[in-house]
Amino acid sequence: DAGVTQSPTHLIKTRGQQVTLRCSPKSGHDTVSWYQQALGQGPQFIFQYYEEEERQRGNFPDRFSGHQFPNYSSELNVNALWLGDSALYLCASSLGGIQYFGAGTRLSVL
Amino acid sequence: EDKVVQSPLSLVVHEGDTVTLNCSYEVTNFRSLLWYKQEKKAPTFLFMLTSSGIEKKSGRLSSILDKKELFSILNITATQTGDSAIYLCAVDSGTYKYIFGTGTRLKVLA
Repeated sequence: DAGVTQSPTHLIKTRGQQVTLRCSPKSGHDTVSWYQQALGQGPQFIFQYYEEEERQRGNFPDRFSGHQFPNYSSELNVNALWLGDSALYLCASSLGGIQYFGAGTRLSVL
Repeated sequence: EDKVVQSPLSLVVHEGDTVTLNCSYEVTNFRSLLWYKQEKKAPTFLFMLTSSGIEKKSGRLSSILDKKELFSILNITATQTGDSAIYLCAVDSGTYKYIFGTGTRLKVLA
């Protein structure tokens, strides 16, 4: 049983560009959450998708948007990248309470 | 504002030592508290606690929750070098999002 998978593993972009990160949830999980983890910090909640709708959102600007597909996979899009967007982006899936995390995408903005 | 605070921020011990990691929280609608271990990238699930005073145990790791004093502890006995990691505490605030602490970085020396 594959766990949560994310792609790509690493990404380098320049300021002002746009990026799309992808996540496939654990088999049977219908809920996907996205987190941003800056160096030396705990993960910060970006948003959560359930039944293809954004169910909850953290304190992130509208430059951060997402999507969930009928197969429960999800994308995170970030527009107009800032240097401060450099971080590890984690995806977590759940069915009910416990969230299981993928290995993340390391985004570097130059 | 909901928050989760972990202490200490970092800890260096020798193999065989016992460590206690602390997590205190202030959230409006508490649903559960979770502990994760993060070695490289993906946080891996350790425990979920919902009731006060009931110890959860897995091998050398154990954890307990005090909902009156709003804290949890994670104990690791007979530490091994493989226990070196960042230990994250997260609170499910009842709105489908986890609020994480900054984490405790544990290093176990041989």
